[in-house]
Amino acid sequence: ETGVTQSPTHLIKTRGQQVTLRCSSQSGHNTVSWYQQALGQGPQFIFQYYREEENGRGNFPPRFSGLQFPNYSSELNVNALELDDSALYLCASSLGQDLNEQFFGPGTRLTVL
Amino acid sequence: GENVEQHPSTLSVQEGDSAVIKCTYSDSASNYFPWYKQELGKRPQLIIDIRSNVGEKKDQRIAVTLNKTAKHFSLHITETQPEDSAVYFCAASKNAGNMLTFGGGTRLMVKP
Repeated sequence: ETGVTQSPTHLIKTRGQQVTLRCSSQSGHNTVSWYQQALGQGPQFIFQYYREEENGRGNFPPRFSGLQFPNYSSELNVNALELDDSALYLCASSLGQDLNEQFFGPGTRLTVL
Repeated sequence: GENVEQHPSTLSVQEGDSAVIKCTYSDSASNYFPWYKQELGKRPQLIIDIRSNVGEKKDQRIAVTLNKTAKHFSLHITETQPEDSAVYFCAASKNAGNMLTFGGGTRLMVKP
C-alpha cells in the first residue's frame, strides 16, 4: 500500500451543495494531483499542485478548485454539485513534477443525489 | 491534448495463458507510459512503467513494449493467474510526475 491517504471514504450530497475532499501525500512528496474516475472509465486529470501552487489543470470547470498546504496535503473543493459529479475522486502524490512516479490514494466515493 | 485509446475493453483467458493489452497515444511529446492495475473498489496500483528512451521493460511475468514511431505500447502478462483478474489502465504523460492521460481500461478475467 502507498502512504497516500484520503478522507472521507464515502460521501453523499445533494445537487447544488458544496463538498471538500482531503488528501495526505506520501511522506516526502511535494506534488499532489487530483483525478475523477466515473464508473467504468479511466481516471481524468482535474489539476495538480506543486509546492502550494496550481501547476496544470484538466478540462474541468472553475467550480472545481483546490488548495495545497505547507505540509503538502491537499483539498479538492467542488461547488454547485451536479449529478454527473458522482464519481471516485483519487489523489496521487509524487516527488516533484518531472521524473518520479505518481502513487494513488484509496479515493473518495462521492454520490450526488 | 493527449488522447489514449486502449484495447480490448474486456479480455478473458485461461489460467496459464498469456494476455496482451494494447494502447495508442496521440501526442508525440509524451515520454512516460505507466500501467496501473485496479481491483474492484481499490486504488490504481502502478505495476510497470516505461520511458521513451527504452523499447522494452520486463518484471517477472509482466513486460511492456513501446513503439514510439507508431505511438503504441503494450502490456504482456505471461502465465496468468486468477489473482491477475482486475481492470488494467494504460496512461501517457510528458513526464512521470505530470498530468496522466488514461486509456479506458481493460477488464481482464483469468479463469481457473
